[in-house]
Amino acid sequence: GEDVEQSLFLSVREGDSSVINCTYTDSSSTYLYWYKQEPGAGLQLLTYIFSNMDMKQDQRLTVLLNKKDKHLSLRIADTQTGDSAIYFCAGVSNTDKLIFGTGTRLQVFP
Amino acid sequence: DAGVIQSPRHEVTEMGQEVTLRCKPISGHDYLFWYRQTMMRGLELLIYFNNNVPIDDSGMPEDRFSAKMPNASFSTLKIQPSEPRDSAVYFCASSLRPGQGFYEQYFGPGTRLTVT
Repeated sequence: GEDVEQSLFLSVREGDSSVINCTYTDSSSTYLYWYKQEPGAGLQLLTYIFSNMDMKQDQRLTVLLNKKDKHLSLRIADTQTGDSAIYFCAGVSNTDKLIFGTGTRLQVFP
Repeated sequence: DAGVIQSPRHEVTEMGQEVTLRCKPISGHDYLFWYRQTMMRGLELLIYFNNNVPIDDSGMPEDRFSAKMPNASFSTLKIQPSEPRDSAVYFCASSLRPGQGFYEQYFGPGTRLTVT
C-alpha cells in the first residue's frame, strides 16, 4: 500500500524560505496534495500538483515533483509567523483513500 | 456553508464510559471520513462512508469503536467502553465524489477527547 514519509520538524527564521520534503511509494496518484493544519484546527487543502507536472507555483508557494525519485516538496518563500503549522503531504491509494504523511511541524521564529 | 460541524469540541470522560462524537458534513457531499490524530500515531483514517454506506472500516481499532451515518447530514462515532489510550483528537471530514482523480477533503475542527 501507499506509504508517505516526511521529516517531523522544521524551524526557520521569519523572511527565510522553508522547504518541506515528502517521499512516497505509490506513484499511481493522479494528483499529490499539501494540506495545512493550523493550531487547534482541522486540515485544509493548501495546494496540489497534477502528477504530469514537475512544478507548480502559487504566490509564495512552489511545489516540486520528482516522479522518478518519488519525491515531493513544498517551498514557502518569505516565511511568515502565520505559516507556523503542521504540513501534510498526501497521495491517493489504489483503494481511493487519501494517504497522509506523518506531517512536518513548521516553526517560524522572528 | 458553515463547513463540517463537529460536536462536542472537547470531551473529558472517565475510563469505561460511553463517548459519542457527532459530525454534520457539508451539504451535498457524498463522502464522510472519520480520522484520529495522536502525537504517537499521527493521522489515522478510521472509517469512511459513501452515500451513508460504510465502505472501509479497516482502520477502526477494535470492537469498542462503532460509526453510523443514518442520513446524509449526520454521523456519529461511538466508543464504548472508553479507555485512556483512546485520548486523541477525532476529525470528521467530507468531500464530493472525486472528479478526474482530484480529491479535496474538508475537515471539521475536531473533537479533543480525554479519557481519564
